Amino acid sequence: EDKVVQSPLSLVVHEGDTVTLNCSYEVTNFRSLLWYKQEKKAPTFLFMLTSSGIEKKSGRLSSILDKKELFSILNITATQTGDSAVYLCAVDGTASKLTFGTGTRLQVML
Amino acid sequence: SAVISQKPSRDICQRGTSLTIQCQVDSQVTMMFWYRQQPGQSLTLIATANQGSEATYESGFVIDKFPISRPNLTFSTLTVSNMSPEDSSIYLCSHSGSTYNEQFFGPGTRLTVL
Repeated sequence: EDKVVQSPLSLVVHEGDTVTLNCSYEVTNFRSLLWYKQEKKAPTFLFMLTSSGIEKKSGRLSSILDKKELFSILNITATQTGDSAVYLCAVDGTASKLTFGTGTRLQVML
Repeated sequence: SAVISQKPSRDICQRGTSLTIQCQVDSQVTMMFWYRQQPGQSLTLIATANQGSEATYESGFVIDKFPISRPNLTFSTLTVSNMSPEDSSIYLCSHSGSTYNEQFFGPGTRLTVL
């Protein structure tokens, strides 16, 4: 059974801090790893990673994948209150289904 | 990516009743999916909605409880049947438009069953 574990479960930081969110996985037939931001109901797509060592970047957010060690990190620099959300990691593996982790709840304080 | 809309946005229902959730995409998509997110939990795939044939259900989900329709490449419905308080969740539809199953989600339906 495919498995995705995220850490930490929750995180409280102050504006301007840099945070690193972790995602480790065990999956058969890995195809990709995806990061989503969930603020209310709908997860918003952030990144899709398929190759090791290639950083994906969008503004203050960046992510990288290590297929040998089976993990990914999501970095957010210069955090803002608008970054407060649950960040979900998912892997596309067995039978092309997405398996989600339980998420990291990030709260950014003024 | 195609834009997805869902309705209703939220509903409060009595136990024993059924609710149908609609998902509309603004362009044709190959794959559509239905997920459930119970309070404090992550997303769990209920089924893949197949156009013109029966949906493919995941372990723990059955057609009698969660009938799904997909009459064309832009529309799908999920019915939550004979509801109980344990069905209180956010229900999300998504679509996938690329080889790598990069899925995009609709705004979700928050269901509360009393």
